[in-house]
Amino acid sequence: EAGVAQSPRYKIIEKRQSVAFWCNPISGHATLYWYQQILGQGPKLLIQFQNNGVVDDSQLPKDRFSAERLKGVDSTLKIQPAKLEDSAVYLCASSLGTAPEGETQYFGPGTRLLVL
Amino acid sequence: QQQVKQSPQSLIVQKGGISIINCAYENTAFDYFPWYQQFPGKGPALLIAIRPDVSEKKEGRFTISFNKSAKQFSLHIMDSQPGDSATYFCAGGSSNTGKLIFGQGTTLQVKP
Repeated sequence: EAGVAQSPRYKIIEKRQSVAFWCNPISGHATLYWYQQILGQGPKLLIQFQNNGVVDDSQLPKDRFSAERLKGVDSTLKIQPAKLEDSAVYLCASSLGTAPEGETQYFGPGTRLLVL
Repeated sequence: QQQVKQSPQSLIVQKGGISIINCAYENTAFDYFPWYQQFPGKGPALLIAIRPDVSEKKEGRFTISFNKSAKQFSLHIMDSQPGDSATYFCAGGSSNTGKLIFGQGTTLQVKP
């Protein structure tokens, strides 16, 4: 079974530029998550989708971050304009759904973003 | 506040020893407590998980101990191996929402 795919793996941009990340979840997984992992910290949830609807975006900085999940499959996360503090690894995860059997979140390898 | 506090931040253990990582949570609505393992350059992967209706769960060399009254849980790695060297994250979550709150992580180094 193919895992969660993410691209690009690395991205270097200058502050105030825009950047987009792409995620392809495991086939059949209804729930998709975007996390931000700053160096030395645990992943922090940015947004959670159930199919193509947003379940939780309370931690998403909506003035600069946006995300969409068209057709309930692939998803993109965009940052515009980027700030220095956005330097982090952006992780995408997917799960079958919520409790009880579908809780396990499977993570992709992440996109490492460096903002200069 | 929905924090999950994890300690220690880093841990060095000799091969064959026991590694112990502790976590404490605040949100009593949490009903799902997974541990994730992350190697450099990789995404986290589920190691083992527990629900609050049991006090202990064992899978191979990995054991979770859970103390509901103290709102604490811990990961024990028996017979630690160099291949266990990684960063470990505990998390607390709600089955209803699927949302996880992660701890800060513990970097484990197992010396040969």
